[in-house]
Amino acid sequence: VMTQSPLSLAVTPGEPASMSCMSSQSLVNINGYNYLDWYLQRPGQSPQLLIYLASTRAAGVPDRFSGSGSGTSFTLKISSVEADDVGVYYCMEALQNRTFGPGTKVEI
Amino acid sequence: QVQLLQSGPEVKKIGASVRVSCKTSGYSFTTYGINWVRQAPGEGLEWIGWSSTYNGDTKYAQKFQGRVTMTTDASTSTAYMELRGLRSDDTAVYFCAREKVVRCLDHWGQGTLITVSS
Repeated sequence: VMTQSPLSLAVTPGEPASMSCMSSQSLVNINGYNYLDWYLQRPGQSPQLLIYLASTRAAGVPDRFSGSGSGTSFTLKISSVEADDVGVYYCMEALQNRTFGPGTKVEI
Repeated sequence: QVQLLQSGPEVKKIGASVRVSCKTSGYSFTTYGINWVRQAPGEGLEWIGWSSTYNGDTKYAQKFQGRVTMTTDASTSTAYMELRGLRSDDTAVYFCAREKVVRCLDHWGQGTLITVSS
């Protein structure tokens, strides 16, 4: 089971933002990697990959996005929010099956 | 560039079946798996399953076991998902997504709206 908090987040452009994702079981594989991804779904669009293996930014993702955490607790941070960052942020475990969290809705 | 182009929206009756296609381009099809994810109106993302484009292996979410079949056709670089015994709560947008070796979903299709009604 994946949980996220908060479920809703009001942000101010230029300010930092942070959200959390918790897993009911460890997402560390035998190779030591954490199989936790972050996705952003902007309104009316398909999800896009932001972060994989808990902390690796996907190609083309701005460096204002960063992921951290290990085991069962993970965090996504936006160092300086921009208007284009609004949408729903989902974490997804990729160790067992693929289970998504309920999402954090980010609004300006 | 990598593209996943899905088939168009469909309206189905309760109890019917639907097959959604996902035609890929811009990369070597058999190098990446394909996942299927759905999103009911106003709801979050729900994983349906995964298929290997290399050897045809599949893995389905327990919720869909027995009702879903995922296949791939390397000759046309196309993946398919068939869902049978449709219910009204199967109404959703269905996405295909390419899976990298590290299991993240790095490219997504545009989504296909399946509406199930009586």
